[in-house]
Amino acid sequence: GESVGLHLPTLSVQEGDNSIINCAYSNSASDYFIWYKQESGKGPQFIIDIRSNMDKRQGQRVTVLLNKTVKHLSLQIAATQPGDSAVYFCAEKTEGSARQLTFGSGTQLTVLP
Amino acid sequence: DGGITQSPKYLFRKEGQNVTLSCEQNLNHDAMYWYRQDPGQGLRLIYYSQIVNDFQKGDIAEGYSVSREKKESFPLTVTSAQKNPTAFYLCASSIRVPSYEQYFGPGTRLTVT
Repeated sequence: GESVGLHLPTLSVQEGDNSIINCAYSNSASDYFIWYKQESGKGPQFIIDIRSNMDKRQGQRVTVLLNKTVKHLSLQIAATQPGDSAVYFCAEKTEGSARQLTFGSGTQLTVLP
Repeated sequence: DGGITQSPKYLFRKEGQNVTLSCEQNLNHDAMYWYRQDPGQGLRLIYYSQIVNDFQKGDIAEGYSVSREKKESFPLTVTSAQKNPTAFYLCASSIRVPSYEQYFGPGTRLTVT
């Protein structure tokens, strides 16, 4: 079946550096994507979303890039802070699906002092 | 304060017992979801409900049951038929249209011994 996957399971960055978390998706019918942040022992929190008619969307310190040609999604976090340490999931919605979102396995981001 | 609540945060049961996990939302959302999360893995969909008195199986429904008698509530029962019930269970809700963003509760960690 279709799946959402991540290139790297873990990512360590120095505090203050920029972070880039990648996500590959395989369903060309996916028309909406979300990035979630999950801190240890808590539920996922919405970070940012993007529709398939866009290539880029910016939020506060975060940017999501969508490359439909290669079915790739990335989350960029500027000036990474210790509070950014968490697992980051991408999720996709497939057009016409009633099931809403399909989640990837996540990337553990660790911010080093 | 609007949001999703799950209770309890930690739950312990003996093997062979059924257990019901609570999920309540006051966001006036139509759709509700149950996910299971195992260590180092993404979220897997157990059941979802788009409207009161209606629900559909997700990817891993075997050994679980749900009900949706009220818009605000979507309890999940983990039955003795679930072979590996120990996991972190997450409930979510969303407005069916136009947004697909899912709001998550804090989760319940179930341990069965």
